[in-house]
Amino acid sequence: DARVTQTPRHKVTEMGQEVTMRCQPILGHNTVFWYRQTMMQGLELLAYFRNRAPLDDSGMPKDRFSAEMPDATLATLKIQPSEPRDSAVYFCASGYSTDTQYFGPGTRLTVL
Amino acid sequence: AQSVTQPDIHITVSEGASLELRCNYSYGATPYLFWYVQSPGQGLQLLLKYFSGDTLVQGIKGFEAEFKRSQSSFNLRKPSVHWSDAAEYFCAVGNTNAGKSTFGDGTTLTVKP
Repeated sequence: DARVTQTPRHKVTEMGQEVTMRCQPILGHNTVFWYRQTMMQGLELLAYFRNRAPLDDSGMPKDRFSAEMPDATLATLKIQPSEPRDSAVYFCASGYSTDTQYFGPGTRLTVL
Repeated sequence: AQSVTQPDIHITVSEGASLELRCNYSYGATPYLFWYVQSPGQGLQLLLKYFSGDTLVQGIKGFEAEFKRSQSSFNLRKPSVHWSDAAEYFCAVGNTNAGKSTFGDGTTLTVKP
């Protein structure tokens, strides 16, 4: 049963520190998405990739967030420097083109 | 631009009662439509999807949804709700060109004993 995996599952850090979240998409999927979920804003699309190339990162604060896909089995989302307002659950999802998205379990980030 | 509206933020039903969650979408072409469910502390899981063909779609866990083009709706239904159905439900419309989906704000379902 193929699944999207995310690490770490929980992260507590102090303001100003760098945070890196990792995602392993399902093998064979060509599209990877990063979402952020908070009580106030709900589910927000931050960025997504097709065949490892970034298609849209307009939802991401460019000054502190960066997303990459070093290879087909790894997607990363980095925050530097982190701020308390970045506290949220970050989800990675993968899929094939316009079809169903398969979500990972999320990384719960707390920035103190 | 595509958009999704879920008019009900929170719905409470009794166990065994029927359920209907509303979803309205805006999209210029024939949409790809999805319903996802999120249990507390977990990621979203697909319940069902509509791409084309039969407008009544069957999903997992006894859920179904009906695509009504004239009403721009894709409402989710279940004839008899179980306590384990308590969760948040998201409707989404897929962009056939860009390959990304737009999600609604979600409807939280509470099930009373």
